[in-house]
Amino acid sequence: KNQVEQSPQSLIILEGKNCTLQCNYTVSPFSNLRWYKQDTGRGPVSLTIMTFSENTKSNGRYTATLDADTKQSSLHITASQLSDSASYICVVSAASGGYNKLIFGAGTRLAVHP
Amino acid sequence: DAGITQSPRHKVTETGTPVTLRCHQTENHRYMYWYRQDPGHGLRLIHYSYGVKDTDKGEVSDGYSVSRSKTEDFLLTLESATSSQTSVYFCASQTGEVNTGELFFGEGSRLTVL
Repeated sequence: KNQVEQSPQSLIILEGKNCTLQCNYTVSPFSNLRWYKQDTGRGPVSLTIMTFSENTKSNGRYTATLDADTKQSSLHITASQLSDSASYICVVSAASGGYNKLIFGAGTRLAVHP
Repeated sequence: DAGITQSPRHKVTETGTPVTLRCHQTENHRYMYWYRQDPGHGLRLIHYSYGVKDTDKGEVSDGYSVSRSKTEDFLLTLESATSSQTSVYFCASQTGEVNTGELFFGEGSRLTVL
């Protein structure tokens, strides 16, 4: 069964600190892995998309890593800001002929406190 | 950002009534998706469309139907709403290739079925 597991479920950090969110997946066949940010009451917004051959990808203060051998990914946030408070969703795309078959994790809810 | 809007944003209805949610995109994207988001779960695919009049079922399609008469509009219909369909519904449209294209999400439609 295709699954995406994220940890921790929730996290509280102080403004300016770094944090790392984890994602483990069992999805086959694998196409790519994505991280989304979802603010409360809004739709998800893409942060990164990584294919099998990419180990690291950055988007500003966000850096995603992918280990396709162990089927793990992480999202590192550097020098957190209050605006980073959101849910972060790991999504794996399973290679499919007809449509973009995305398996969503349940998300990690991050709260950044001043 | 891709121009994708959903309506209504909030709706309260009674069990047994029909409900239609509308998704409108201005980017001429071929692929469109309807998801539902429930607490503790990742987004789950209800239906998708790969072109005008071309639609297919996702993993949680029971009780839902869709229509796409124009590229820009993708409608989700609950023929007879049930309490289990209380959820937040997200529409997305997709650029690029089927497995690697980027998804752009709407702001969500919160539906409460009493």
